[in-house]
Amino acid sequence: SQTIHQWPATLVQPVGSPLSLECTVEGTSNPNLYWYRQAAGRGLQLLFYSVGIGQISSEVPQNLSASRPQDRQFILSSKKLLLSDSGFYLCAWRVQGVSGEAFFGQGTRLTVV
Amino acid sequence: GQQLNQSPQSMFIQEGEDVSMNCTSSSIFNTWLWYKQEPGEGPVLLIALYKAGELTSNGRLTAQFGITRKDSFLNISASIPSDVGIYFCAGLTQGGSEKLVFGKGTKLTVNP
Repeated sequence: SQTIHQWPATLVQPVGSPLSLECTVEGTSNPNLYWYRQAAGRGLQLLFYSVGIGQISSEVPQNLSASRPQDRQFILSSKKLLLSDSGFYLCAWRVQGVSGEAFFGQGTRLTVV
Repeated sequence: GQQLNQSPQSMFIQEGEDVSMNCTSSSIFNTWLWYKQEPGEGPVLLIALYKAGELTSNGRLTAQFGITRKDSFLNISASIPSDVGIYFCAGLTQGGSEKLVFGKGTKLTVNP
């Protein structure tokens, strides 16, 4: 069966520090991968999505970047965090083109202080 | 860009009541999805809709894919306290884009 791992679960980082959040999927190949951010009590904002290794689509110009160095690995990064980067970050995967269902990781709660 | 307008933003109901929420968009989607999120967790899929006009049920939940492919609704019948959470609609474009966008959510509170 397929599983998605996202870590860390919580993170407190100072303003100006770098960020690296990692997401990996097991049990499938060539998945579509997504990064979302959710502010407290708000909706899911699509940040990046990827349909293949090295292919990244960015939805919102911002302080973040994403990379997909391997088929089932999706990384969210920042060189210098801002206070506004605080939020709940969710990684998701789905099978390309076959069905719509997306499956989410447990999320990373990022607090920038 | 594609946006989903989800309403209502929040609902406060009594246990046993029925609930209805909907999503509309100016864009056409090939797939509509409904998710539920509980505090501190990732969203979990409730219902997926693939054809315009499709009506699908999952227990007490019923969802429909609008004929125009620009809207969808979710109904919950005979609500219970464990229905509490945030419900999201999501739309998927395919054919190269594979972009999955979400509505802003409907926060449901059920009073026993």
